[in-house]
Amino acid sequence: AQRVTQPEKLLSVFKGAPVELKCNYSYSGSPELFWYVQYSRQRLQLLLRHISRESIKGFTADLNKGETSFHLKKPFAQEEDSAMYYCALTGVGSNYKLTFGKGTLLTVNP
Amino acid sequence: GAGVSQSPSNKVTEKGKDVELRCDPISGHTALYWYRQRLGQGLEFLIYFQGNSAPDKSGLPSDRFSAERTGESVSTLTIQRTQQEDSAVYLCASSSEVGVSTGELFFGEGSRLTVL
Repeated sequence: AQRVTQPEKLLSVFKGAPVELKCNYSYSGSPELFWYVQYSRQRLQLLLRHISRESIKGFTADLNKGETSFHLKKPFAQEEDSAMYYCALTGVGSNYKLTFGKGTLLTVNP
Repeated sequence: GAGVSQSPSNKVTEKGKDVELRCDPISGHTALYWYRQRLGQGLEFLIYFQGNSAPDKSGLPSDRFSAERTGESVSTLTIQRTQQEDSAVYLCASSSEVGVSTGELFFGEGSRLTVL
């Protein structure tokens, strides 16, 4: 079975502060991890994937297989980062079914 | 349009009635997913179609829920004898064959179902 856990339902930070959205996963095979974002009144969209090792909008995420974590980080939060963030997992063994966490609502205060 | 299209965008129905939700994926996308998002909850997987493979129905919550897909095109999600706990936003997403392995799903705007 594959499972994604996002322990924080809500996260509030001030503009310019660092932000970390936590994600832990459970998967017996070789996982591929992603972060999706949903801005207010917009569709859910892919933010970044671990395999690309990219930084998108200043966000990065490192896959830690030892801790089975894939936390999303940004050193200086901006107001426009306020959104719902979902961590997601897939893999060969699941025929690439994408499983999402329950999401974390990030609010960046001015 | 080029995106995933869902209809209706809003549906209000009475308890016990059947409802049908429709999803038009992006042309050429082999994979199609249905998710449910209840108020204050995350995305709950319902069903996954991938090409000609048997669909993964492991997320359907009860036998009142069913989904069909014609080839690699339109999909319909049917909920029979609706209950109040079925009230949610039903999201459809599609992905190309490459996108499936890279995790890039394209989501529709969802169908908001309210069961009175």
